[in-house]
Amino acid sequence: NAGVMQNPRHLVRRRGQEARLRCSPMKGHSHVYWYRQLPEEGLKFMVYLQKENIIDESGMPKERFSAEFPKEGPSILRIQQVVRGDSAAYFCASSPSEGIYANEKLFFGSGTQLSVL
Amino acid sequence: SQQGEEDPQALSIQEGENATMNCSYKTSINNLQWYRQNSGRGLVHLILIRSNEREKHSGRLRVTLDTSKKSSSLLITASRAADTASYFCATDFYNNNDMRFGAGTRLTVKP
Repeated sequence: NAGVMQNPRHLVRRRGQEARLRCSPMKGHSHVYWYRQLPEEGLKFMVYLQKENIIDESGMPKERFSAEFPKEGPSILRIQQVVRGDSAAYFCASSPSEGIYANEKLFFGSGTQLSVL
Repeated sequence: SQQGEEDPQALSIQEGENATMNCSYKTSINNLQWYRQNSGRGLVHLILIRSNEREKHSGRLRVTLDTSKKSSSLLITASRAADTASYFCATDFYNNNDMRFGAGTRLTVKP
């Protein structure tokens, strides 16, 4: 059972371009979380999704940022018209929907490092 | 908004010593979790303690939870250089499976 897969590992964009970050949760996990991390800082919650539903997007800027988790395929975090301040590591995590740690324990991907030139 | 606050922000100890990190939170919770992050990597789950538990052990890790004070501590005994990492506490925000993290404690264990 592969872990949480994020790609790309590194993404370089110029100001004004779009960034699309992908996250494939672990098999059997129906909950996905996106977090953003700046160097030497903690994780800042962005959005929490279940299949085809956004449960909580209170941590995500209302403009330029969007997230989806379709019935089929990976979760996508999309940043339109990127600015230098968007440069950060973006981590995705998933949690199991069944078992002792259902909807609790998070399994993290290795992150996508976004650099905006 | 963030939920947990770790203390201290940074901790440096010698190999073999014990390391204690603290976490305070604001809202009622179902559970509190501790995670570890090596530089540039994703977080790895260490231990989960539920709101009706007061203490939990896993190997060299000991976690306590005081819901009356809304605080938790993580103790790493007989530390090793390989324990060098950042440690984060996370709580379910307003009991809705919405996990929020603190800023972390950066632990350095000197050989």
